[in-house]
Amino acid sequence: EVQLVESGGGLVQPGGSLRLSCAASGFTFSTYWMTWVRQAPGKGLEWVANINQDTSEKYYVDSVEGRFTISRDNARNSLYLQMNSLRAEDTAVYYCAKPTVTTGVDAFDIWGQGTMVTVSS
Amino acid sequence: QSALTQPRSVSGSPGQSVTVSCTGTSSDVGGYNYVSWYQQHPGKAPKFMIYDVDKRPSGVPDRFSGSKSGNTASLTISGLQAEDEADYYCCSYAGTYTLVFGGGTKVTVL
Repeated sequence: EVQLVESGGGLVQPGGSLRLSCAASGFTFSTYWMTWVRQAPGKGLEWVANINQDTSEKYYVDSVEGRFTISRDNARNSLYLQMNSLRAEDTAVYYCAKPTVTTGVDAFDIWGQGTMVTVSS
Repeated sequence: QSALTQPRSVSGSPGQSVTVSCTGTSSDVGGYNYVSWYQQHPGKAPKFMIYDVDKRPSGVPDRFSGSKSGNTASLTISGLQAEDEADYYCCSYAGTYTLVFGGGTKVTVL
């Protein structure tokens, strides 16, 4: 079964850091771009970051550029999101998502269950 | 990176058709045929419904269809069923491996 399982969410103070993980199984992880998407409470989906297969390309939404870092470990079939200088507006459920084809970045057929990040003092 | 514009809500009776619009710009929706749609029930992860504007993944009922004209994409649900009540989000490629989502539309089955 193709599956993504996120972990690492929790409560953190403003200015703090958190590292999210996404464990992939059931597909050849190393051949796909991977993506993080977030959803603030009661709000819509927001694309956060993409990473290509060999980590040479990484792209971010403007609001997290310079604070968040996407990475992956193909040997461990894992995707990560290092979040620094966290703000209240970063409070959201964070999903990792797999594109439907290895050459694509824009259509996600598999999503994790999400992990909640709460930034509050 | 401005969010795509979707109506906050649409509604219809069982068996009717409803259309959800998704308006962007020539830099996203209008510039690429890479629009996808997702269904999300409360407390659940999004579900993949449409990709490349009008392609339907296996397992998605054929009452769901997608289209695009200029800077506006649309999702049509024909023969509305109770289980179709959910939030729907469009997503478009916006160049340089970036993406933009719509604000979401709540579909209500009356």
